[in-house]
Amino acid sequence: KAGVTQTPRYLIKTRGQQVTLSCSPISGHRSVSWYQQTPGQGLQFLFEYFSETQRNKGNFPGRFSGRQFSNSRSEMNVSTLELGDSALYLCASSLDGGGNTIYFGEGSWLTVV
Amino acid sequence: SQQGEEDPQALSIQEGENATMNCSYKTSINNLQWYRQNSGRGLVHLILIRSNEREKHSGRLRVTLDTSKKSSSLLITASRAADTASYFCATDAFTDKLIFGTGTRLQVFP
Repeated sequence: KAGVTQTPRYLIKTRGQQVTLSCSPISGHRSVSWYQQTPGQGLQFLFEYFSETQRNKGNFPGRFSGRQFSNSRSEMNVSTLELGDSALYLCASSLDGGGNTIYFGEGSWLTVV
Repeated sequence: SQQGEEDPQALSIQEGENATMNCSYKTSINNLQWYRQNSGRGLVHLILIRSNEREKHSGRLRVTLDTSKKSSSLLITASRAADTASYFCATDAFTDKLIFGTGTRLQVFP
């Protein structure tokens, strides 16, 4: 069965622009979460969605937002990009977000110039 | 910060040797999961251990969990060059909000 799929894999944006990243969870998984990975801060939780509702949110500014569709696919958006937003953005999915194994995608590399 | 700590930060060994990594965390947990990350890639799930379990095995991997000390260890036996990667522990408290450790970079020399 296909794993967690993220698109695009690599992208370069300019400061002030906005970006949308997409994630397709493993078939049958209803919980999708997003993480940011940087050399300085490590892996940090952004938010979690379950049944189209945001269930948990990390400590990121409001420029970071997300949503989940009825088919469990998810998108995250970052507006007014800053240089510090350059990172690997990882999407993860699990069956129901209730303490099951969490599987990650390959990530989307975002570079802000 | 809620982030967990991993020790050592970096580890270099020869093929065939065992590698042990330790993880400490700060809050009560439901599960602890270990992941591997090859350079620039996503996280590969290795093993999940629940808070009521003390030890778990999967192939060449052995994970222990001591909830009284808020710590876990990952042992990779008979290491191979292909095991070269960063290893992370991550804890959850009944949600998908994982709190990650700082990671251990493992280098296995042929």
